[in-house]
Amino acid sequence: EAQVTQNPRYLITVTGKKLTVTCSQNMNHEYMSWYRQDPGLGLRQIYYSMNVEVTDKGDVPEGYKVSRKEKRNFPLILESPSPNQTSLYFCASSFRGPGVAGTYEQYFGPGTRLTVT
Amino acid sequence: GNSVTQMEGPVTLSEEAFLTINCTYTATGYPSLFWYVQYPGEGLQLLLKATKADDKGSNKGFEATYRKETTSFHLEKGSVQVSDSAVYFCALISSNDYKLSFGAGTTVTVRA
Repeated sequence: EAQVTQNPRYLITVTGKKLTVTCSQNMNHEYMSWYRQDPGLGLRQIYYSMNVEVTDKGDVPEGYKVSRKEKRNFPLILESPSPNQTSLYFCASSFRGPGVAGTYEQYFGPGTRLTVT
Repeated sequence: GNSVTQMEGPVTLSEEAFLTINCTYTATGYPSLFWYVQYPGEGLQLLLKATKADDKGSNKGFEATYRKETTSFHLEKGSVQVSDSAVYFCALISSNDYKLSFGAGTTVTVRA
């Protein structure tokens, strides 16, 4: 089954304790991305990756790191989490598709609810 | 930078009512436009898309037309059902930097 998986689905942690949220896709997609969803703010892109070893900042990259060593995996790293990073996080992947900008229709994972106390 | 503005909710409708959710955008280059839907407790899924001016995306009775002259991509459905209750997000991807921008989301509740 084609899917994007994220782990863990729920995480409660304390300020400053490094954590990693994993993301994996089995669709051979080039493009992968991380978002956070907060009430009233919609989804905001944290980082994205056009392909292996290529990553770029989205709109809210501060406090996050990513790496893309393999095509299928795109982990999100919080080196020193803070309470303002409490949020619902989504990983997504896509292929280019037609059009000048491409379609890059996103296939989303199930989400990771992170609470930082 | 790129941005998406969509009408604020929440929106509450009766079954079989007409639904419109307004979406306008600001973007450089030639963006592709999307509507995503998020059902309660789930991740987002693509509802429809359009990649160039005057394209009409459609799916599950929903439609939206890419209007370059008004920089809009309004979502419409002629007769909503209770199962359409969800949060709807307008989004774009720019051809300049391939960043994705989402609107704040509109919560729609359909009552029987």
